[in-house]
Amino acid sequence: GQSLEQPSEVTAVEGAIVQINCTYQTSGFYGLSWYQQHDGGAPTFLSYNALDGLEETGRFSSFLSRSDSYGYLLLQELQMKDSASYFCAVDTGGFKTIFGAGTRLFVKA
Amino acid sequence: DGGITQSPKYLFRKEGQNVTLSCEQNLNHDAMYWYRQDPGQGLRLIYYSQIVNDFQKGDIAEGYSVSREKKESFPLTVTSAQKNPTAFYLCASSNRQEPTDTQYFGPGTRLTVL
Repeated sequence: GQSLEQPSEVTAVEGAIVQINCTYQTSGFYGLSWYQQHDGGAPTFLSYNALDGLEETGRFSSFLSRSDSYGYLLLQELQMKDSASYFCAVDTGGFKTIFGAGTRLFVKA
Repeated sequence: DGGITQSPKYLFRKEGQNVTLSCEQNLNHDAMYWYRQDPGQGLRLIYYSQIVNDFQKGDIAEGYSVSREKKESFPLTVTSAQKNPTAFYLCASSNRQEPTDTQYFGPGTRLTVL
């Protein structure tokens, strides 16, 4: 079957750095995306990695290792507004994207 | 402003009733999707459409139906055959010409079966 594994919850303090890991097992792989979702809201796109390495966008960075079927999202200088759920998602091609169950991030003052 | 709209935001339905959820986009995207989200879970694909007048079943299509008569619109009908329809429903669209698999989501419809 196809599956994505990510931690269910992570807690960190304001100003800190947090890493959310994602391992995947899918029949096809074109790229790994990350989405942020606040409670009751819609997911919003954060990043996409098609090739190995680190992509940086402001305070957020995303990493991919295709050989390890592994990626992570790195959030720096955490702010209270970063408290949300974060989903990794695999683009398997053919218009089908597989989403992980999400990691709920709690940022404490 | 371009984007995706879904209506209504909250919907209550009695058991045995069909209900249709609206999804409209003005992003000029060919591809549109419907997902279901249950508490503490990820998004599961119900149906997707690559182009007008074409749509494909996703992973959990049973009890649902869709149509794609216009590029802008992709309504989802939750039928009485869906055994556990209470959930948060999200519509999305994407431009498959983009190098990234970016999906743009609507605000969602929370359906509750009474």
